[in-house]
Amino acid sequence: KNEVEQSPQNLTAQEGEFITINCSYSVGISALHWLQQHPGGGIVSLFMLSSGKKKHGRLIATINIQEKHSSLHITASHPRDSAVYICAVRSGDFGNEKLTFGTGTRLTIIP
Amino acid sequence: KAGVTQTPRYLIKTRGQQVTLSCSPISGHRSVSWYQQTPGQGLQFLFEYFSETQRNKGNFPGRFSGRQFSNSRSEMNVSTLELGDSALYLCASSLAWPGASYEQYFGPGTRLTVT
Repeated sequence: KNEVEQSPQNLTAQEGEFITINCSYSVGISALHWLQQHPGGGIVSLFMLSSGKKKHGRLIATINIQEKHSSLHITASHPRDSAVYICAVRSGDFGNEKLTFGTGTRLTIIP
Repeated sequence: KAGVTQTPRYLIKTRGQQVTLSCSPISGHRSVSWYQQTPGQGLQFLFEYFSETQRNKGNFPGRFSGRQFSNSRSEMNVSTLELGDSALYLCASSLAWPGASYEQYFGPGTRLTVT
């Protein structure tokens, strides 16, 4: 079982729909990242969370440390949101930390 | 402010050769991390440098090495290239120790093809 599991793997939705992408992890973490990768490879860091909730524009990220679960929400989705969304967790002790990535969720928004 | 730059952007090498990739972080950033992305394995952490010291290392063989210079620029080296080393190599920089308080900013990546 992977340390970081994302669901769904693929998601196709109509423009305007509310999108939720989930991330579950099995280890204790110091931080969780949500990343966006567009075709061509460029990665943008969307959020970094260690507790609670963060909002940036139409994007909202939440984390529940007790349940080892995070969600990324997109409100009023738009075709430009089409990308791969990747969850990554930072774990380990000082000097022996590592970043473990989920396999990503491919989101396609249809106009 | 200029973003993270990586050179070269594309590279083709032959099995057995060695390669050096370069990463220039955002001005003022002191931490650089390297990642490998392949279709089969996805994104994997290679190593992380802060103030010229390797702070963390992923599970990669010793053929993969790196260093960071006093100006925070970083290089990674892969010796004795194998076909499986074909990947997108990404570096990311952050202001300081990339713990819970600091975001990482990614470069565009170097796409390495080993033939």
